[in-house]
Amino acid sequence: DAGVIQSPRHEVTEMGQEVTLRCKPISGHNSLFWYRQTMMRGLELLIYFNNNVPIDDSGMPEDRFSAKMPNASFSTLKIQPSEPRDSAVYFCASSLMAGLAEYEQYFGPGTRLTVT
Amino acid sequence: GENVEQHPSTLSVQEGDSAVIKCTYSDSASNYFPWYKQELGKRPQLIIDIRSNVGEKKDQRIAVTLNKTAKHFSLHITETQPEDSAVYFCAASLGGATNKLIFGTGTLLAVQP
Repeated sequence: DAGVIQSPRHEVTEMGQEVTLRCKPISGHNSLFWYRQTMMRGLELLIYFNNNVPIDDSGMPEDRFSAKMPNASFSTLKIQPSEPRDSAVYFCASSLMAGLAEYEQYFGPGTRLTVT
Repeated sequence: GENVEQHPSTLSVQEGDSAVIKCTYSDSASNYFPWYKQELGKRPQLIIDIRSNVGEKKDQRIAVTLNKTAKHFSLHITETQPEDSAVYFCAASLGGATNKLIFGTGTLLAVQP
């Protein structure tokens, strides 16, 4: 298994531009999570999906952020327009949820976003 | 909201010594407590986890203890080695029908050779 795949690995963009981050979860996993990591705020959960349905988006900072999961093998996180304070590492993670049991979240390699 | 506090934020030990990282959580319904290790520039990776029906779990040099009454759980690393140097995160699941994790703020562990 290739694990969680994220693209791009690095993104440098100018303020005001649209940014789209992509994630392919591990095959068979039914939960997908988007996290943002910065030195100041640590690891923050932005949004997560179960069975392609957004369950909790309370961590999405502003309306500039949106996420979609059109099918079980693909998700996007979009920032429009981007701002310098959005600079961070964005991780996607996936796991298997069965009943009320929690299972390990597997993280992707992350996308390092720099907004100038 | 629910939160997880983690201490210390930085920890420096000599190679061969033990290291202990402590976390407290606020949601009494939490029942899953994973620990992640993140090396510089890498992704977080699970190193050990514990569920609420167990008080202690050990895997070679690492162990985790859980005190549900006090809402405390701790990571213990014995015979530390330089390759243990990393940031360690604790996390707690939210209660109810959710697999959402609340992460601690991380502990930077430095093992001096």
